[in-house]
Amino acid sequence: QVQLVQSGAEVKKPGASVKISCKASGYIFTSYYMHWVRQAPGQGLEWMGIINSSGGTTSYAQKFQGRVTMTRDTSTSTVHMELSNLRYEDTAVYYCARSRFHVTADGNFDYWGQGTLVTVSS
Amino acid sequence: QSVLTQPPSVSGAPGQRVTISCTGSSSNIGAGYDVHWYQQLPETAPKLLIYANNNRPSGVPDRFSGSKSGTSASLAITGLQAEDEADYYCQSSDSSLSAVFGGGTKLTVL
Repeated sequence: QVQLVQSGAEVKKPGASVKISCKASGYIFTSYYMHWVRQAPGQGLEWMGIINSSGGTTSYAQKFQGRVTMTRDTSTSTVHMELSNLRYEDTAVYYCARSRFHVTADGNFDYWGQGTLVTVSS
Repeated sequence: QSVLTQPPSVSGAPGQRVTISCTGSSSNIGAGYDVHWYQQLPETAPKLLIYANNNRPSGVPDRFSGSKSGTSASLAITGLQAEDEADYYCQSSDSSLSAVFGGGTKLTVL
């Protein structure tokens, strides 16, 4: 069965960076895209960007350009998301989510990780 | 401020029918992009409920249905059950080459 298992909760200080991992199993890793979506406490979902699990090409939401980096390791079927220069408002649950197609081709998110809580606190 | 607009809340009694609207613009839904819907139960990750406007993934009851017209889409839930109480999000793509979400709608089963 398809599983996306994320790394554990993190507490970071403002200005620091955080790197979250998402390990995929149960499907052909390189046949799907991976996205990162975040949800601030009590708020809605916010798309951060997409990575092609095969070629590694990325596309980021304009809001996060310059602060986010998504990478993948095909040998371990793992995707990583690093967010730098953290601010208090980056406190959120971060989800990885899989799609068969790119967002420009009507991609939807058919499986989600369990979420990783990142708390930014001094 | 979400790109897609949803009502913050809807409610209905068990057995009733409710609908949740999702309004976009000419750069997303109106540009022809599909609309997808997700259900998020408390303290859990979102789950794909409807994809490509009106298709249900395996395992999703046929009480859930979707439609799309122009720059808007709707999710309908018939035969409302207590277990349907959750947050619902619509999602589409945008000409800015990004995925966009609605702000979410909290469904309360009275």
